[in-house]
Amino acid sequence: AQSVTQLGSHVSVSEGALVLLRCNYSSSVPPYLFWYVQYPNQGLQLLLKYTSAATLVKGINGFEAEFKKSETSFHLTKPSAHMSDAAEYFCAVSFNDMRFGAGTRLTVKP
Amino acid sequence: DAGVIQSPRHEVTEMGQEVTLRCKPISGHDYLFWYRQTMMRGLELLIYFNNNVPIDDSGMPEDRFSAKMPNASFSTLKIQPSEPRDSAVYFCASSQNQGKGNTIYFGEGSWLTVV
Repeated sequence: AQSVTQLGSHVSVSEGALVLLRCNYSSSVPPYLFWYVQYPNQGLQLLLKYTSAATLVKGINGFEAEFKKSETSFHLTKPSAHMSDAAEYFCAVSFNDMRFGAGTRLTVKP
Repeated sequence: DAGVIQSPRHEVTEMGQEVTLRCKPISGHDYLFWYRQTMMRGLELLIYFNNNVPIDDSGMPEDRFSAKMPNASFSTLKIQPSEPRDSAVYFCASSQNQGKGNTIYFGEGSWLTVV
């Protein structure tokens, strides 16, 4: 069975600092991996996805993620946090359906 | 293009009442998913359909929950009778050709409170 584990339910950074949100996957087949963002009182929006093309995937709002098979990881990064990045972030793995991690709440301090 | 449309956006109901949540997927999408989100359990997949046929309902919590998809443009999730522990946000989502890394698109959610 495929699954993802997000390390850290809450991450706090200062505005302008590096954002690093961690995700590890478990899959018996090459995975399709996703990062979604959820702003308060809204649905989930796709940030980026990995579908076995380039291992470094660029998404919206300056986010990117790198697929590392040796580490079974798909961590999300952004070089410089902005106040508007404060939200809940979900890593997900897809096969016939899509399974989500528990989520990481990102807080950005001024 | 219109996204996934859910109704109602908010519902407050009394314990024991029937609740029906509605969803219109994106036109042309052949997969439809129902998720439930709570603080305690996060995002749970309840059921998904392919071409209007339920494929996996193993996430449906109990017999009080039922879902239907009578046609390609409409699905319902029904809870009867409702209980306070059903209070959650229910998301409908749709995609094309799931299993090939296609994106799932979410609706804005239905906020359900059972008192």
